[in-house]
Amino acid sequence: DAKTTQPTSMDCAEGRAANLPCNHSTISGNEYVYWYRQIHSQGPQYIIHGLKNNETNEMASLIITEDRKSSTLILPHATLRDTAVYYCIVRSQTNDYKLSFGAGTTVTVRA
Amino acid sequence: KAGVTQTPRYLIKTRGQQVTLSCSPISGHRSVSWYQQTPGQGLQFLFEYFSETQRNKGNFPGRFSGRQFSNSRSEMNVSTLELGDSALYLCASRMSTDTQYFGPGTRLTVL
Repeated sequence: DAKTTQPTSMDCAEGRAANLPCNHSTISGNEYVYWYRQIHSQGPQYIIHGLKNNETNEMASLIITEDRKSSTLILPHATLRDTAVYYCIVRSQTNDYKLSFGAGTTVTVRA
Repeated sequence: KAGVTQTPRYLIKTRGQQVTLSCSPISGHRSVSWYQQTPGQGLQFLFEYFSETQRNKGNFPGRFSGRQFSNSRSEMNVSTLELGDSALYLCASRMSTDTQYFGPGTRLTVL
C-alpha cells in the first residue's frame, strides 16, 4: 500500500470548515483513499473513501486531485465532537484486508 | 443497523492468566478482523476470519488465537498473559466491500 503524509496536528474553530490534507504521491491506479478517525480511546470510525472522483456523505467531503497524488478531507461545520486523530490511508481492494494507520493528524476543535 | 459490538469494554487481568474477548459484527457482515492497538506500536493486525475460517494472520505469537461461529460472531483468546499484552483490542467487520467498520474496543490491562 502507498505511504501517506499528513500534518501532525491542526486546530479548527467550532462551526468553521476543517480541511485536512493528505499526500500520497506514490498511489497506484487501483488504490483507494480512505479516511478514518479515532476519538480518544475509542474504536476508529470510518469516514469516507474514494478512488478518483470527489465524494460526499453525511459526515464529510473528500476532494482528490486530478493526478491523485493528494487529497483533502473536509468537515464542513466542525463541532467539539470532531476532535480526534484523523487517519488517511491508501490501499487497494485486494483480499488482504489488514489495515495499518500512520501517525495521523490530531485535530482539535476549539470553541 | 446496529454497529460492531465488543464485550467486555474493560478488563483487568494478571500475568499468566488467560482472557477471551467477544465481537459481534454488523448484521450481514461475514468477515471479522482483530487488531491490537498500543501507543508504541500503533494498530497491528492480528487475524481475519471469514465464514468460520481464518483467512489472514498477523505476526503474533501462538498465545493469540481466535475463532468465528456460524452466526459470524467472533472470539479471540490470549493465553498466558504478559504485561506487554496491555492494549486496546479492536474488532472490525465488513461485508463484501473493503470498508471495515470498527467496534468500540476492549481495553485490556495486565498487571
